Amino acid sequence: QSALTQEASVSGTVGQKVTLSCIGDSNNIGSYDVGWYQQISPGAPKTVMLGTSLPSGIPDRFSGTKSGTTASLTISGLQPEDEATYYCSTWDFSLRAHVFGGGTKVTVL
Amino acid sequence: EVQLVESGGGVAQPGGSLRLSCEASGFLFSSFEMIWVRQSPGKGLEWVAWISSSGGDMSYGDSVKGRFIISRDNARKSLSLQMNTLTAADTAVYYCARRFGSTPDQWGQGALVIVSS
Repeated sequence: QSALTQEASVSGTVGQKVTLSCIGDSNNIGSYDVGWYQQISPGAPKTVMLGTSLPSGIPDRFSGTKSGTTASLTISGLQPEDEATYYCSTWDFSLRAHVFGGGTKVTVL
Repeated sequence: EVQLVESGGGVAQPGGSLRLSCEASGFLFSSFEMIWVRQSPGKGLEWVAWISSSGGDMSYGDSVKGRFIISRDNARKSLSLQMNTLTAADTAVYYCARRFGSTPDQWGQGALVIVSS
């Protein structure tokens, strides 16, 4: 069982806005920035959000927010190339460990 | 351009050992903490180990604690993962990643480790 909880799957049509959530607690999300990673199998993860900052080269339809112990990744204007599995991650000071969510599979209908 | 290139993957027998390396370029390696993350076939991402920028502090995931050792050579811009007493459960793609703040920001392409007799 992952320390961070994500939806198993989310779907949307092209152009639609979808929001992925990542639920943690005060030891992790409540204390640290959250990273979001896109993985299109069989490739390596690709960072799409660091906290609320967009890494270079990532389209601005991706945005990140955090409220308390829940982080969210929003894709505004879903594109076919956004179909992938998305993972959230941060540090947990109680566990002294990096923790990951189980991943959300985004399907573009 | 930041690059992380893993090497050393392959097939190992149960109970055997394997050493992964990660060569870094394009950034000041000695200023960044580094981590190893793995992904078993069909599964999600699992954190394996973390090392401080100086190499003086490390932390491990419960599933590898006591068997794996993370180390770094800042002069050579290299990160390593010594994996001992391997089991089938260690079969995975292993990624090295740079830590930015509290989370990874740059990833290598991955190295496949298969533990099988």
